Amino acid sequence: AQKITQTQPGMFVQEKEAVTLDCTYDTSDQSYGLFWYKQPSSGEMIFLIYQGSYDEQNATEGRYSLNFQKARKSANLVISASQLGDSAMYFCAMREPFKAAGNKLTFGGGTRVLVKP
Amino acid sequence: GAGVSQSPSNKVTEKGKDVELRCDPISGHTALYWYRQSLGQGLEFLIYFQGNSAPDKSGLPSDRFSAERTGGSVSTLTIQRTQQEDSAVYLCASSLVGLAVGTDTQYFGPGTRLTVL
Repeated sequence: AQKITQTQPGMFVQEKEAVTLDCTYDTSDQSYGLFWYKQPSSGEMIFLIYQGSYDEQNATEGRYSLNFQKARKSANLVISASQLGDSAMYFCAMREPFKAAGNKLTFGGGTRVLVKP
Repeated sequence: GAGVSQSPSNKVTEKGKDVELRCDPISGHTALYWYRQSLGQGLEFLIYFQGNSAPDKSGLPSDRFSAERTGGSVSTLTIQRTQQEDSAVYLCASSLVGLAVGTDTQYFGPGTRLTVL
């Protein structure tokens, strides 16, 4: 079974500083996808970044980058130059390998980030 | 373009009543997913549609839960004889192809907050 672990339930970060959110996963499959989503207090889930298990380079999207260490089964999200609007809950998720189950996501427990001015 | 929409945004019902939750996916997205977010259980997958078919219903917690999708578009999640433990935010997502290959990002709606009294 898939399992995603986010060990940091909450953290503070100073505005304009970088923050790293931890995510480790457990799978015996070779082909999988890793996603990060942001959930502000308004509730919607916003897609941030994707990393495929066979991607050789770490994914980047603007201020978001993913520190992918396949051997350690970790996919940490790095947010650079934090902004007040980055205050939210962040979820790491893994996509099941190709099966009839399609593109189902398994989520970690989330990390709440509060950016301080 | 328009994102995923869900209605109602909030629903309060009495224990034992039936409720229907609606999801309008992004136009052209063939895959549709329902998830549930609750304090105790985090984010859980419920059901996945590819077109009008549901190849994976493994996450439905009991036979009181059912879902359908018509015209490859709108989906309705029905909960019969609601219980207090059904209280949660029900999130709908859609993706372009629904296959576990490449990015095929799931885009989420704002959710329906269900409260069972």
